[in-house]
Amino acid sequence: GAGVSQSPSNKVTEKGKDVELRCDPISGHTALYWYRQRLGQGLEFLIYFQGNSAPDKSGLPSDRFSAERTGESVSTLTIQRTQQEDSAVYLCASSYGQGTYYGYTFGSGTRLTVV
Amino acid sequence: SQQGEEDPQALSIQEGENATMNCSYKTSINNLQWYRQNSGRGLVHLILIRSNEREKHSGRLRVTLDTSKKSSSLLITASRAADTASYFCAFSGANSKLTFGKGITLSVRP
Repeated sequence: GAGVSQSPSNKVTEKGKDVELRCDPISGHTALYWYRQRLGQGLEFLIYFQGNSAPDKSGLPSDRFSAERTGESVSTLTIQRTQQEDSAVYLCASSYGQGTYYGYTFGSGTRLTVV
Repeated sequence: SQQGEEDPQALSIQEGENATMNCSYKTSINNLQWYRQNSGRGLVHLILIRSNEREKHSGRLRVTLDTSKKSSSLLITASRAADTASYFCAFSGANSKLTFGKGITLSVRP
């Protein structure tokens, strides 16, 4: 597609429920990144994919968080047993090639609210 | 922390004035990038400067990089109300991800 697409754009869920967030990167972008942004804060790195593998999962906050990527395209971020502190905007970005020699293209994010 | 630090945290200027935003970091870097964010949603890539470059221009944007001081600045000339946004610097080191600062809120008064 023309840009990075994320769905849903907004998600309200009850504490304890599982949620799945989806990211469709730009076609041909082999690198994909997930970040989290709490209200008024900077971006917190979660996980990075190069192709279908995840060389860096160091930012996942707990074992409730997991992500996968299939077919070098779509990625899903799953949060199990959501907690109120998980409320944030979850941003996905993709870039051409490995590493950070290229700028990232971000999606519009998924605003997650845990009530 | 490897997180970049931006300065100032907030900046308010009159339309037509120049806006200067600064970023410092602690590690050695491959490149440094600046992004803009409107309304707390997706970020837009503005400009990338490599570690062996000292200055780069793109339209009304000018970015400088001083690797000896581990700092960068973003200058927006002849600012417009539409430039009102949050601006983030981000840098990459030996790993394959960008580390973002906390952002600078720029307000341009018409």
